[in-house]
Amino acid sequence: DAGVIQSPRHEVTEMGQEVTLRCKPISGHNSLFWYRQTMMRGLELLIYFNNNVPIDDSGMPEDRFSAKMPNASFSTLKIQPSEPRDSAVYFCASSLTGGAQPQHFGDGTRLSIL
Amino acid sequence: AQSVTQLDSQVPVFEEAPVELRCNYSSSVSVYLFWYVQYPNQGLQLLLKYLSGSTLVESINGFEAEFNKSQTSFHLRKPSVHISDTAEYFCAVIGNRDDKIIFGKGTRLHILP
Repeated sequence: DAGVIQSPRHEVTEMGQEVTLRCKPISGHNSLFWYRQTMMRGLELLIYFNNNVPIDDSGMPEDRFSAKMPNASFSTLKIQPSEPRDSAVYFCASSLTGGAQPQHFGDGTRLSIL
Repeated sequence: AQSVTQLDSQVPVFEEAPVELRCNYSSSVSVYLFWYVQYPNQGLQLLLKYLSGSTLVESINGFEAEFNKSQTSFHLRKPSVHISDTAEYFCAVIGNRDDKIIFGKGTRLHILP
């Protein structure tokens, strides 16, 4: 079975540029999560969706970050304009809805902002 | 709200020795508990989970964790580690009516030859 698919795996860009990260959740999963991982701050939840609807975006650092889920099989996380402090590994995860359901993670996008 | 504390950021252990990774949580409601493992350059993978029933849960690769409600702990143990167990381990908790899982800061397990 295909797992959560993220693209690109690596992204290097200059500050000020727009960055778009993509995620395809596991088919049938109706919850989707975006996380950011850094050495300093560990794993942080940025935003999550249930049935394509954003439920909690309190973890989004600032207005430069936005996320969309236009349908059940695709989500994007956009940073505009990007800054060096946005450099991190960004993970997407999906699950069936319900607290007992485990989350399945993609392999992440390693983002470097120069 | 829930919180998770992983008491050790790094744990070095010799190959074939036992290991315990500590996890404590706090919550005002009933919780589900998880351990996830992250191998280098990969996402997190579920290792084991406690939902209800037997307080001792096991993974397919020899890890086990015991839910201790009185001590609000969910420590992860393995009687004999292998070099392939080198990874970062995350304890996580979620309230039984919540959607948002809370992860600990992780413990890096270093296996020494």
